[in-house]
Amino acid sequence: TQTVSQSDAHVTVFEGDSVELRCNYSYGGSIYLSWYIQHHGRGLQFLLKYYSGNPVVQGVNGFEAEFSKSDSSFHLRKASVHWSDSAVYFCAASNQGGRALIFGTGTTVSVSP
Amino acid sequence: EAAVTQSPRNKVAVTGGKVTLSCNQTNNHNNMYWYRQDTGHGLRLIHYSYGAGSTEKGDIPDGYKASRPSQENFSLILELATPSQTSVYFCASGGNWGSSAETLYFGSGTRLTVL
Repeated sequence: TQTVSQSDAHVTVFEGDSVELRCNYSYGGSIYLSWYIQHHGRGLQFLLKYYSGNPVVQGVNGFEAEFSKSDSSFHLRKASVHWSDSAVYFCAASNQGGRALIFGTGTTVSVSP
Repeated sequence: EAAVTQSPRNKVAVTGGKVTLSCNQTNNHNNMYWYRQDTGHGLRLIHYSYGAGSTEKGDIPDGYKASRPSQENFSLILELATPSQTSVYFCASGGNWGSSAETLYFGSGTRLTVL
């Protein structure tokens, strides 16, 4: 069974703090991983993706994520959060070569002033 | 940027009634998807399509049908709606499958309440 796990349902941070959101996957073969952000009442928007090559990938608005095959992880990080980063963040995965994205359950990030 | 439009934004239906959720995309993407979002479950794939005339079952297809009459349009149909289908439904489109590391573009969602 292919799964994507996000262990933290809710994370609260202060503006200016760093944040790391965890994502672990269980997939066979080569994998494609991505992160999406969902602001309240909106659809999901793409943040970044890993396909191959450099395991650290940069996304929009200062987000980056690091792929680790040994840990089966793709954690998302940001060095200094802004209040506008308050949202739900979804990790997603699929096997390279086919099939639709499978999403994790999401992590809600609340940024306090 | 790809545009994905869902209609209606909100829908209230009665148990046993028929509901059709519509999705239109204007970026000529081959692939389209229907997900539902529920607390504690994240997004779950209902049906998807990789071109006009094709529909495929996702992870939770029971109680749902899909229709892809054209490249632009992808509908989700609930023939006999039940309260368990109360949810927020998202349509998405994507241009490249599999090895091209597809990026999905989402609509704003349809909030369906079945009474």
